[in-house]
Amino acid sequence: AQKITQTQPGMFVQEKEAVTLDCTYDTSDPSYGLFWYKQPSSGEMIFLIYQGSYDQQNATEGRYSLNFQKARKSANLVISASQLGDSAMYFCAMSYISNTGNQFYFGTGTSLTVIP
Amino acid sequence: DTEVTQTPKHLVMGMTNKKSLKCEQHMGHRAMYWYKQKAKKPPELMFVYSYEKLSINESVPSRFSPECPNSSLLNLHLHALQPEDSALYLCASSQALAGNYEQYFGPGTRLTVT
Repeated sequence: AQKITQTQPGMFVQEKEAVTLDCTYDTSDPSYGLFWYKQPSSGEMIFLIYQGSYDQQNATEGRYSLNFQKARKSANLVISASQLGDSAMYFCAMSYISNTGNQFYFGTGTSLTVIP
Repeated sequence: DTEVTQTPKHLVMGMTNKKSLKCEQHMGHRAMYWYKQKAKKPPELMFVYSYEKLSINESVPSRFSPECPNSSLLNLHLHALQPEDSALYLCASSQALAGNYEQYFGPGTRLTVT
């Protein structure tokens, strides 16, 4: 069963504007983690931000913030003041503890293009 | 230092060749991972090592053989690959297998099988 859903295959944003990338998840486990990664065309997966299921406040890291709505099971990434270097593939991921250990599931990704 | 290194960056090999991919981290992480990623797709988990022991093998064909010689090193031995095995191979590490820890990825090896 699919556990992470990213419904936006591609997004465009004007430079210096904010953009929201959507992510919804499905789990019955009370303890889980939500992550966002950026993957430029070079291929490296760059960790951006983390939100734990028990965290009361939304995570923020510089221009990145995670809009965590637990009841809706959504964990959207907000990028403020977009820059040309933000153009990349963005993956939402969830970790949860299975009987074999920590399992990591990735969404299908959103391709973000920043327009000058 | 949150760096995971991978060598080589690019690899072209024939279907009868034997080659190895190497991954290294010096963050003291005790869990290490191999992923396969096709273009415009999310990474697919292949193997997980925890404390140098193989913990998860996601039904990967035997032509891929992982090895964890010590807590900092992870190898992936390749033999008799098929053209459909061409992909980006990503290594990652995390603090431990138990717990919701972020994974840190290396730059990947772009593999082409001819």
